[in-house]
Amino acid sequence: GQNIDQPTEMTATEGAIVQINCTYQTSGFNGLFWYQQHAGEAPTFLSYNVLDGLEEKGRFSSFLSRSKGYSYLLLKELQMKDSASYLCAVMDSNYQLIWGAGTKLIIKP
Amino acid sequence: GAVVSQHPSRVICKSGTSVKIECRSLDFQATTMFWYRQFPKKSLMLMATSNEGSKATYEQGVEKDKFLINHASLTLSTLTVTSAHPEDSSFYICSARDPQREYNEQFFGPGTRLTVL
Repeated sequence: GQNIDQPTEMTATEGAIVQINCTYQTSGFNGLFWYQQHAGEAPTFLSYNVLDGLEEKGRFSSFLSRSKGYSYLLLKELQMKDSASYLCAVMDSNYQLIWGAGTKLIIKP
Repeated sequence: GAVVSQHPSRVICKSGTSVKIECRSLDFQATTMFWYRQFPKKSLMLMATSNEGSKATYEQGVEKDKFLINHASLTLSTLTVTSAHPEDSSFYICSARDPQREYNEQFFGPGTRLTVL
């Protein structure tokens, strides 16, 4: 079956760095997405990785290792507004998105 | 660019009534739209893929007669929850792909919170 695993909840301190991991097992691979979702709102697109390596976009970076079925989202200089759920999603061979359950990130002052 | 709107944002209805939710791509044409539902603290659950001019493709376990989807144009898809019951209360979110974009990312509407009394 297809499976996306990510931690349920993480806590970090304002100004610090946090890494949210995602492992996946899917039928085929056409890219991995990270989305941010604030409570009561729809997800917003953060990043896309289809090749191995690190993609940096401001305070956020996303890493992919296809051979390990592994990705992480790295958030630097954490701000209170970064408190949200972070969803990992993999596009399978049918171009369908398989969603992880999301990681709730709590930022403390 | 790539803005998706959804209406209404919140609806409360009586059990047995039908509710229609609209999803519009405002600045692009979307041949494919997606309908999700999300329970509190749970991940997105894909209900169906809506294709312009053809029948929607429903995920396993989703009743097509209960959740009617119509994709009448390249910018509009509607989801009608027929004969709604309290267990249908949920957060319904639509998304669309912009074929002009480099990636295949989905852009989400703001969601509709349905409460069935």
